[in-house]
Amino acid sequence: DAGVTQSPTHLIKTRGQQVTLRCSPISGHKSVSWYQQVLGQGPQFIFQYYEKEERGRGNFPDRFSARQFPNYSSELNVNALLLGDSALYLCASSLAGYGYTFGSGTRLTVV
Amino acid sequence: KQEVTQIPAALSVPEGENLVLNCSFTDSAIYNLQWFRQDPGKGLTSLLLIQSSQREQTSGRLNASLDKSSGRSTLYIAASQPGDSATYLCAVRRNSGGSNYKLTFGKGTLLTVNP
Repeated sequence: DAGVTQSPTHLIKTRGQQVTLRCSPISGHKSVSWYQQVLGQGPQFIFQYYEKEERGRGNFPDRFSARQFPNYSSELNVNALLLGDSALYLCASSLAGYGYTFGSGTRLTVV
Repeated sequence: KQEVTQIPAALSVPEGENLVLNCSFTDSAIYNLQWFRQDPGKGLTSLLLIQSSQREQTSGRLNASLDKSSGRSTLYIAASQPGDSATYLCAVRRNSGGSNYKLTFGKGTLLTVNP
């Protein structure tokens, strides 16, 4: 079985640009969550979607948005990129909210 | 607000040693606790999941315990190997309320096992 897949694996953007990160959950998982991990810190919750509806949002500015598609894949969008948005962005899927399975992440560098 | 603390922040041990990593959390109303491993620059690999009604879980050389009332969990690694070198993260999921869907993570323990 394929695990949680994220694309792209690495990305370099310029300040002020916009970026879209993609995530495909494990087959059958209807819940997708996004986390941001800056160097030396634990992951911080950004969003959770379940059955295409937003179920929660972390303490992130409105520049961050996400959506979930009918096939349960998800996109995370970040507008007006700042240097501080440089981080590893992790996607996780879960079945009925039990254990979470994470993808390999997208490393975003803002220059 | 749930806060998760992991001690120590870093640990270096010789190969073959048994070791314990600690995780504490401030709000005992948790649904479950999950231990993850993270290799440098990589994603998270789930090691063990303990439901709030359980006291411990075991997988191979790993054993995780949970004492919900005291807000503590430990991850025991037996007969450590150089391949165990990684950052170990614990995360808790709240039991109820509007934020019961998210995981709250500690900052992790960086483990180095020396040959």
